Amino acid sequence: KAGVTQTPRYLIKTRGQQVTLSCSPISGHRSVSWYQQTPGQGLQFLFEYFSETQRNKGNFPGRFSGRQFSNSRSEMNVSTLELGDSALYLCASSEDRGEAFFGQGTRLTVV
Amino acid sequence: AQSVSQHNHHVILSEAASLELGCNYSYGGTVNLFWYVQYPGQHLQLLLKYFSGDPLVKGIKGFEAEFIKSKFSFNLRKPSVQWSDTAEYFCAVKSWGKLQFGAGTQVVVTP
Repeated sequence: KAGVTQTPRYLIKTRGQQVTLSCSPISGHRSVSWYQQTPGQGLQFLFEYFSETQRNKGNFPGRFSGRQFSNSRSEMNVSTLELGDSALYLCASSEDRGEAFFGQGTRLTVV
Repeated sequence: AQSVSQHNHHVILSEAASLELGCNYSYGGTVNLFWYVQYPGQHLQLLLKYFSGDPLVKGIKGFEAEFIKSKFSFNLRKPSVQWSDTAEYFCAVKSWGKLQFGAGTQVVVTP
């Protein structure tokens, strides 16, 4: 079985721009979650989607949004980028409430 | 507020030494508990998990963890570490669908 695939792996954006990150879950997994990893804040939960519906949300501003498609693939969007948004963004998939399997992440640098 | 605390940020030990990493959480109700590992340059991988039943769980690579409900703890142990165990270790708690991570412990095993 293929693992969780995130694209792109690396991204450089300018302040004020917006960005879209993509995540393809493991086949059969309907839950997709997103996390932000930074040296200062560690791993923080952004949101979770299940069957195209946002099921849980972390404490991030509305600039962070996501969606899930009927094939369970998910996208995360960050608008009006700030320098502090520079981070490794991780996607994880699971079978409903089972353990999460993580992708390699997308390294976003905002300049 | 709900939180996950890992006792040590950095641990340095020699090969064949025993390892114990502490993890405490503050959550009410039913929780699922996990330990993840992140080897240098690799994605987060699941070491072991506790959902219910025997509070002593065994994971991959000789790791085990003990869930002590009265102490809200889920400590990770390995009797004899190897150089290849050098990695960052994360304790995580899943409650109401949200997976929250501890700050992580960087473990360095010297030959």
